[in-house]
Amino acid sequence: EVQLLESGGGLVQPGGSLRLSCAASGFALSSFAMSWVRQAPGRGLEWVSTVTADGGSTFYADSVRGRFTSSRDNSKNTLYLQVYSLRAEDTAIYYCARVWIDWYFDLWGRGALVMVSS
Amino acid sequence: EIVLTQSPATLSLSPGERATLSCRASQHIHNYLAWYQQKPGQAPRLLIYDASNRATGIPGRFSGSGFGTDFTLTISSLEPEDFAVFYCQQRSNWPLTFGGGTKLEIK
Repeated sequence: EVQLLESGGGLVQPGGSLRLSCAASGFALSSFAMSWVRQAPGRGLEWVSTVTADGGSTFYADSVRGRFTSSRDNSKNTLYLQVYSLRAEDTAIYYCARVWIDWYFDLWGRGALVMVSS
Repeated sequence: EIVLTQSPATLSLSPGERATLSCRASQHIHNYLAWYQQKPGQAPRLLIYDASNRATGIPGRFSGSGFGTDFTLTISSLEPEDFAVFYCQQRSNWPLTFGGGTKLEIK
C-alpha cells in the first residue's frame, strides 16, 4: 500500500527542538520531491518546506526559515524535519506530503501533532 | 507572496444540490491551481490540479475551471460524503500558498 507515516511529534517547551520523521512505503521516495505542510488547531493549511528528490535543494516558508531543516535519507525511504527554537505559534499538525507536478501534493500522511507549551 | 482568497467561508447546501466554490488569487497564476478536500480528522485529498484536471480516482461530479486570478470548484450534485472543507493552493510562485478554506456543510 502506498502511504506516508509521520512520527516524532509531542509536547515541547518554547525554545525547544524535536525531529519529525516521515516513512514512505509502497513507492520509492527517491523519485519524488517531498514537503511538509502544517495545520494549526482549527486553522487552515500552511506550506512549511519542500526538499527536492535528491535532497540537493530545500525551500522554506519565511515563518520557519532558519529554525527548521528538511532532509531525507532515500536509502531508508524517510523524510525528516528538524525543528529548533519552537514557538507557541508552531503548534500544529505537521503533515508530510508527496510532491507531484511541481508543486502539488498528491499523497499525504496522517500527520504528527507538535504542541509547544510550557 | 500570492494570497488566495476563498469564498464563501461557509456554504450550506443539501444533498443533490450544486455547489460552487470560489478562489481568487492576488496576482496572475496562469492555471497553476489545485483544490483539496479535507474531512474532519483526516489529511487533505487532492481533487483538481492545474485548475481543471481531476486527480486519479476523483468522481466526475467534481470539476474545476478558471485562469489567471479567478477559479471555481463545482460539485454538480452533492453526495453526503462531499461535505468537508475545501482548500485551493497555488504553485505559480514561492512560497506555495493555500486559501483560507470553504466549509461545505449540510443544510
